[in-house]
Amino acid sequence: NAGVTQTPKFQVLKTGQSMTLQCAQDMNHEYMSWYRQDPGMGLRLIHYSVGAGITDQGEVPNGYNVSRSTTEDFPLRLLSAAPSQTSVYFCASTRSMGAPGNTIYFGEGSWLTVV
Amino acid sequence: AQKVTQAQTEISVVEKEDVTLDCVYETRDTTYYLFWYKQPPSGELVFLIRRNSFDEQNEISGRYSWNFQKSTSSFNFTITASQVVDSAVYFCALSPATGFQKLVFGTGTRLLVSP
Repeated sequence: NAGVTQTPKFQVLKTGQSMTLQCAQDMNHEYMSWYRQDPGMGLRLIHYSVGAGITDQGEVPNGYNVSRSTTEDFPLRLLSAAPSQTSVYFCASTRSMGAPGNTIYFGEGSWLTVV
Repeated sequence: AQKVTQAQTEISVVEKEDVTLDCVYETRDTTYYLFWYKQPPSGELVFLIRRNSFDEQNEISGRYSWNFQKSTSSFNFTITASQVVDSAVYFCALSPATGFQKLVFGTGTRLLVSP
């Protein structure tokens, strides 16, 4: 049982390039989220999804796109990378509320540097 | 809007000292969840505790204890007899009762435990 898998773990991009951070979970969780972590800022919600085909914006969505075509995958796309998007990105998944023993599973993080 | 404040940016203690990490939250929801996570130098997020807003009982787990007080909107975390391995960044987080897909994190407290 792999849990939440994020790839790549490290990436260096040039300003203006696009890329996709992959997130996959094998627990059949309905809810998935992307956060970014910046020094002194804690983790902030970028986008989230409550099921296949349903996504919504979080606190800091600008410059990012998401889609949820399957329950398992929730990729995060950087359309035109900017130095301000240098950050550590975490993907999370959880069951919908009401499920017994519900908890949140985080990926190991993806370190992204935009130069 | 929901907000979590961790006013202590960094705390330094000597091994075996007790230390309390403060967390103050704001929410208009009557039902919500509070979390504590540990982020060691390796970067992953380690779940420590989840507390429902209806459950104000204090909790103890080994050297860790949590004090939840709705009257002061606080959910403080105490480590007794700290150890070097406790050195990490600790995050307090808040979630609406509608689902764990939208966590609001505090900015974190870095704890340094020296031998």
